[in-house]
Amino acid sequence: EIVLTQSPGTLSLSPGERATLSCRPSQRLDSNYLAWYQQKPGQAPRLVIFGASRRAAGIPDRFSGSGSGTEFTLTINRLEPEDFAVYFCQQYGTSPRTFGQGTKVEMK
Amino acid sequence: QVQLQESGPRLVKPSETLSLTCTVSGDSMSSPVKYWSWIRQHPGKGLEYLGYVSYTGATYYSPSLKSRLDMSIDTSKRQFSVRLSSVTTADTAVYYCAREGAYGDFEIDPWGQGILVTVSS
Repeated sequence: EIVLTQSPGTLSLSPGERATLSCRPSQRLDSNYLAWYQQKPGQAPRLVIFGASRRAAGIPDRFSGSGSGTEFTLTINRLEPEDFAVYFCQQYGTSPRTFGQGTKVEMK
Repeated sequence: QVQLQESGPRLVKPSETLSLTCTVSGDSMSSPVKYWSWIRQHPGKGLEYLGYVSYTGATYYSPSLKSRLDMSIDTSKRQFSVRLSSVTTADTAVYYCAREGAYGDFEIDPWGQGILVTVSS
């Protein structure tokens, strides 16, 4: 199974700053089947990015995804108060589908 | 707008079977490019993918839980279900139902709100 390692575990930033989150698969993802989900306390996760770089419907363009192979990045430009949450990456190209352990973006 | 809603017992005794149903609104379940999935999240922890059922009834289960999982679908009722047998306290979690394939592959969107199931005697 592909293990996804996310870093950092916690990111402490202020509104208006840029967040850069990393997701590293234990094996190369040949198909870029990599998604990012946002989860706020008490809520279900919400799809933010799929296919490594495509924004889901309704996601603001301050969110962007990049990367390939064994290194993927979620960038959130100009953090808004509603962006503070936990973000999970997931690979869905190889069974079993797996998730990273999450990165918490907290307000400094 | 697609919406999913989990339902079922919130308290299950050890060694018994956990059974949950997800009711779908706003989408046809009969599509070959969509899969109906279950994911769980242990309290304060990360996400664990359990498996999916397609509109034909084909299933995929996580290898770690395969021997205890059973998923089914009833498109006429717009529902799909999961059964997890021989539960222990380690199965206490929030269980989410979800749809895969909204954009043509296996991305998960949307998710149900989740239901906390506690395994306790």
